[in-house]
Amino acid sequence: TQLLEQSPQFLSIQEGENLTVYCNSSSVFSSLQWYRQEPGEGPVLLVTVVTGGEVKKLKRLTFQFGDARKDSSLHITAAQPGDTGLYLCRGGSEKLVFGKGTKLTVNP
Amino acid sequence: GAGVSQSPRYKVAKRGQDVALRCDPISGHVSLFWYQQALGQGPEFLTYFQNEAQLDKSGLPSDRFFAERPEGSVSTLKIQRTQQEDSAVYLCASSPSRTSGRVYTQYFGPGTRLTVL
Repeated sequence: TQLLEQSPQFLSIQEGENLTVYCNSSSVFSSLQWYRQEPGEGPVLLVTVVTGGEVKKLKRLTFQFGDARKDSSLHITAAQPGDTGLYLCRGGSEKLVFGKGTKLTVNP
Repeated sequence: GAGVSQSPRYKVAKRGQDVALRCDPISGHVSLFWYQQALGQGPEFLTYFQNEAQLDKSGLPSDRFFAERPEGSVSTLKIQRTQQEDSAVYLCASSPSRTSGRVYTQYFGPGTRLTVL
């Protein structure tokens, strides 16, 4: 079973700051997804990356897939309180598994 | 609403009781998934259906867990003789795709929070 390590586990920042969270594995992914989960809700898909070196942008969020397809990062520019939530990465080959997530809190 | 719905949203059970959790997927979605999410953890895969066929149940933690989707739409996850370690949020997701993995979009419900006392 492929394992996904997410870091940091917790992150608390002020509104307007930039941040990066990471998702790493020793195995190669055929694809990787990032989700955001708010309290009391299910995860919501943000992006899917499939090509090594791929960069995708979603407004203030930038997703990068490592060249070797073993790691990924999510960068948020000028964070807002509405960005608060649990950010989960999900990847794999035959089976997709979730990381434990990064719990982000953006304080006003 | 057009999203995935789950009921009940909250369930409290005494240890040893049986519980049944319901998932209504998005209409027309072929694939349905169940996950277990413990506090502070990411979701863990339990089982997967394609229409009414249960194609993968490798994530079910014990034979006390049973899932069905008899008509290929609504699904029920049943837990018999609940234990305290079963306390978690149980998430259901559906997808229009026929694939169990690879690249696809899953739409998650809000989950059922099960607390076993």
